[in-house]
Amino acid sequence: QLQLQESGPGLVKPSETLSLTCTVSGGSVSSSDSYWGWIRQPPGKGLEWIGSIYYRGNTYYNPSLKSRVTISVDTSKNQFSLKLSSVTAADTAVYYCTKIGNWFPLNWGQGTLVTVSS
Amino acid sequence: QSALTQPPSASGSPGQSVTISCTGTSNDVGAYKYVSWYQQHPGKAPKLIIYEVSKRPSGVPDRFSGSKSDNTASLTVSGLQAEDEADYYCSSYAGTNKFVFGTGTKVTAL
Repeated sequence: QLQLQESGPGLVKPSETLSLTCTVSGGSVSSSDSYWGWIRQPPGKGLEWIGSIYYRGNTYYNPSLKSRVTISVDTSKNQFSLKLSSVTAADTAVYYCTKIGNWFPLNWGQGTLVTVSS
Repeated sequence: QSALTQPPSASGSPGQSVTISCTGTSNDVGAYKYVSWYQQHPGKAPKLIIYEVSKRPSGVPDRFSGSKSDNTASLTVSGLQAEDEADYYCSSYAGTNKFVFGTGTKVTAL
């Protein structure tokens, strides 16, 4: 059964770069149909799609975050990663990594809370 | 890319039916059959309960059903149970590898 696990710092200072990694088990990030994504949820608020990446490395980002987001895949470690630069308090959220099925988030990690604060 | 519109809350007595709407535009909900619904209990990750408008993943009770008309999708929970109390979010494919979520609805069993 496919499992995803987010990891990374739980506290990031304003203006710095948030970096998270999603480790995939029970499947391969490089399988031919694999499509992966990041979604976030500010405390007490709704879900927001951040961006997605195909196994080949093609990336797609939410236009509202595009200038600050980078998503990449590391096939050697069976992981994919998120970097969000120039963070502010508004970026405080639970960040989820997902496997995307036929145009919908299918499998979700448990989520990791990232707080932006000095 | 605006969030899909859902009512903030919905409620019903145990055993009754509750329907949640999800309104988008002709660029997302109205354009594609790729509407999905997620159930989220407090402190937990969202769980997929409906995909492609009306399909249920294995293990999801058949009291959950979905439909779509024009730019509005709907989720119906029939025979509401206490464990159905949760937040529910819709999601739609919005073209060119973009996705959009709904604003979320808190369902309460009275």
